[in-house]
Amino acid sequence: KAGVTQTPRYLIKTRGQQVTLSCSPISGHRSVSWYQQTPGQGLQFLFEYFSETQRNKGNFPGRFSGRQFSNSRSEMNVSTLELGDSALYLCASSSGQGGEQYFGPGTRLTVT
Amino acid sequence: TQLLEQSPQFLSIQEGENLTVYCNSSSVFSSLQWYRQEPGEGPVLLVTVVTGGEVKKLKRLTFQFGDARKDSSLHITAAQPGDTGLYLCAGAPPEGNFNKFYFGSGTKLNVKP
Repeated sequence: KAGVTQTPRYLIKTRGQQVTLSCSPISGHRSVSWYQQTPGQGLQFLFEYFSETQRNKGNFPGRFSGRQFSNSRSEMNVSTLELGDSALYLCASSSGQGGEQYFGPGTRLTVT
Repeated sequence: TQLLEQSPQFLSIQEGENLTVYCNSSSVFSSLQWYRQEPGEGPVLLVTVVTGGEVKKLKRLTFQFGDARKDSSLHITAAQPGDTGLYLCAGAPPEGNFNKFYFGSGTKLNVKP
């Protein structure tokens, strides 16, 4: 069974731009969660999508948004990028019923 | 402020030594997970503990969930260089938000040969 895939793996953007990250979950998993990982704050929950609906949300500004498609693939968008958005963005897939989470390798975003 | 506090933050030991990592909170969790993350990769799930007082063993790793489901520990016996990595605990709140996990700040372990 293929694991969680994230694209792109690395991204460099300029302050003020917007960015879209993609995550393909494990086949059969209906839940995708997104996390931001930084050296200072560690891993922080952004949001979770289950069957195309946002089910949980963390404490991030509205510049961070996401969506999930009918095939469970998910995208995350960050608008008006700030320097502080530089981080490793991880997605995790699970069955969605309290099952175990499996993480992808992450997208390393650098904002200059 | 982190909901889950991990200690120690850094640990550098010699191969063959034992160590314990702690994950503490004032909140109750419905389950708690432990992960290991290596540079440039996503966290890899090691174990999930669900019941208060539960103990799980994974080869040289022993995981314990506190009786009150507020804390957990990870004990490694006879550490090896391959155990090097960032160890993270993550708790799921009890109010039914299944996948809204809160992560600890992590313990960076370095095992020297």
